Amino acid sequence: QSALTQPASVSGSPGQSITISCTGTSSDVGGHNRVSWYQQNPGKAPKLMIYDVSKRPSGVSNRFSGSKSGNTASLTISGLQAEDEADYYCNSYTSSATWVFGGGTKVTVL
Amino acid sequence: QVQLVQSGAEVKKPGASVKVSCKASGYTFTSNTIHWVRQAPGQRLEWMGWINAGTGNTIYSQKFQGRVTIARDTSASTAYMELSSLGSEDTAVYYCARDLAYWGQGTLVTVSS
Repeated sequence: QSALTQPASVSGSPGQSITISCTGTSSDVGGHNRVSWYQQNPGKAPKLMIYDVSKRPSGVSNRFSGSKSGNTASLTISGLQAEDEADYYCNSYTSSATWVFGGGTKVTVL
Repeated sequence: QVQLVQSGAEVKKPGASVKVSCKASGYTFTSNTIHWVRQAPGQRLEWMGWINAGTGNTIYSQKFQGRVTIARDTSASTAYMELSSLGSEDTAVYYCARDLAYWGQGTLVTVSS
């Protein structure tokens, strides 16, 4: 199972919106609504930010939103803040009953 | 609150095996799944496999099939991941995660001669 494809880096100024894409296939992202997004800070465990494509766990800011079109899922961060600077990973369930992560995207707040 | 506490760091020689534990608390252990995910230094997250803590059924990533074993002890609310035939490329932080939502603190496994 190949990793899902994410851009290596995305940057934006405070207050701006950015979008991170996550491209898979019809066997994973396109075939299931079980796409999640994680935020990871250096030396820390990943934190769930979005699950089931667009649902936010309790306590996660509503500045984070998720969507999906075809084989590509997206994470949008609105009103970018310095604290949003981190690595972000997408993850999808697959038709083999396995799961696959993306390559990760480093978000930089300019 | 849901907590997953993993065992401590390990140093292993090439060819050896390592077993990492993940003790769960704050919920009914047999009602959920436990996943194992690893992250080599500076690299991406890599899904290894999962176990249905109620039934004990497991599914592994094809990459690790034959080399990884995930098990659980329901009486101890603990899941285990054992990886055999270790090589230097297995040096990584290993995480357990309930339903990929709640994560343990990670266990560093270093493989070095």
